[in-house]
Amino acid sequence: GEDVEQSLFLSVREGDSSVINCTYTDSSSTYLYWYKQEPGAGLQLLTYIFSNMDMKQDQRLTVLLNKKDKHLSLRIADTQTGDSAIYFCAEPLGGYSTLTFGKGTMLLVSP
Amino acid sequence: GAVVSQHPSRVICKSGTSVKIECRSLDFQATTMFWYRQFPKQSLMLMATSNEGSKATYEQGVEKDKFLINHASLTLSTLTVTSAHPEDSSFYICSAGAGSTGTQYFGPGTRLLVL
Repeated sequence: GEDVEQSLFLSVREGDSSVINCTYTDSSSTYLYWYKQEPGAGLQLLTYIFSNMDMKQDQRLTVLLNKKDKHLSLRIADTQTGDSAIYFCAEPLGGYSTLTFGKGTMLLVSP
Repeated sequence: GAVVSQHPSRVICKSGTSVKIECRSLDFQATTMFWYRQFPKQSLMLMATSNEGSKATYEQGVEKDKFLINHASLTLSTLTVTSAHPEDSSFYICSAGAGSTGTQYFGPGTRLLVL
């Protein structure tokens, strides 16, 4: 199938780490993306990882890629209330740039 | 860099009228732009892919005569919802492809409410 799967909801306390998981379908995807959507806003590109990498770190964000299992995760260290949003993973299908999105994981950070 | 704007950010219109939404890449040229529709608490649904100077490619189930797309320049694509009806009320988001990675950069979205 062509579904990108994500868990729908994650709740954490401020200061904890958050891990958002995603499984994708196309093993030939060259890049995989994480986007953040705050309420009523468009999508903000958080980070992306090239398929020949298994980890990418960018400040509080760590992306792990397991190509064998087609599993992608986003770890947010020291989660803040401002991180509360919906997080989408996305993979390109059909070449250059058509993206397929997961349904999004709503992250709720409580004080 | 890689900023995409949309205008208007929200619009309320009467049933039967047409609404035009603009999508602009502000600091880069985008040969390909995308239009998405998002229903509340749902993921993005790709409506069409727009290439500069050519006809848009519509996804299955999207009426091309209903949702007119024009990509006249490398920095501007427009989506016109013709004869809008209440069921067209939604959040419309555009994106523009940039760079060798094919990364899409998204606009802030346009909320359309048809009364």
